[in-house]
Amino acid sequence: DGGITQSPKYLFRKEGQNVTLSCEQNLNHDAMYWYRQDPGQGLRLIYYSQIVNDFQKGDIAEGYSVSREKKESFPLTVTSAQKNPTAFYLCASRDRISYEQYFGPGTRLTVT
Amino acid sequence: GQQLNQSPQSMFIQEGEDVSMNCTSSSIFNTWLWYKQDPGEGPVLLIALYKAGELTSNGRLTAQFGITRKDSFLNISASIPSDVGIYFCAGLNNAGNMLTFGGGTRLMVKP
Repeated sequence: DGGITQSPKYLFRKEGQNVTLSCEQNLNHDAMYWYRQDPGQGLRLIYYSQIVNDFQKGDIAEGYSVSREKKESFPLTVTSAQKNPTAFYLCASRDRISYEQYFGPGTRLTVT
Repeated sequence: GQQLNQSPQSMFIQEGEDVSMNCTSSSIFNTWLWYKQDPGEGPVLLIALYKAGELTSNGRLTAQFGITRKDSFLNISASIPSDVGIYFCAGLNNAGNMLTFGGGTRLMVKP
């Protein structure tokens, strides 16, 4: 049963702590993406990776970091430098033939 | 980054009514995608459009790729309560590696 998993669904952290969000896919997709969604808003691109060991900044990369050591996995670290980290984070991967992006269920991060 | 203009921002309709929403852009896109997002979940792909002028249906949903390649439309016929959610349009860039999203249309359906 192919798909994208994100864990955990809800995450709570204290201000000043780094936190890593997990994203795994078994769709054999090369490209993966991280988006941020704020209440009542659209999706904004944080980082994307088109291939293992390579990644590119999106529109709002400041305060975030990523790694892509395996094709299946694209973890996102929200660092203490991110000024407004509370948001809904969505991971996606892209079909290499159709270029369609498919999303995981999301992780809601709350930082207090 | 660039944003697509999606309208309306929200709609509150009666069950059984038809719904129309659209997206416009100042740039050309080669592919348009329409997604639906339920509260607290990730967006689900509804329809993908690949050619200017293309009209594609998925059940009660019909989407069109505008002839200018700068706009797209989504229609939902005979709405039902489970149509409630946020609908997003997205345009794919020429390289095929990045999507630009509209701000979303929040649909509410009164039974």
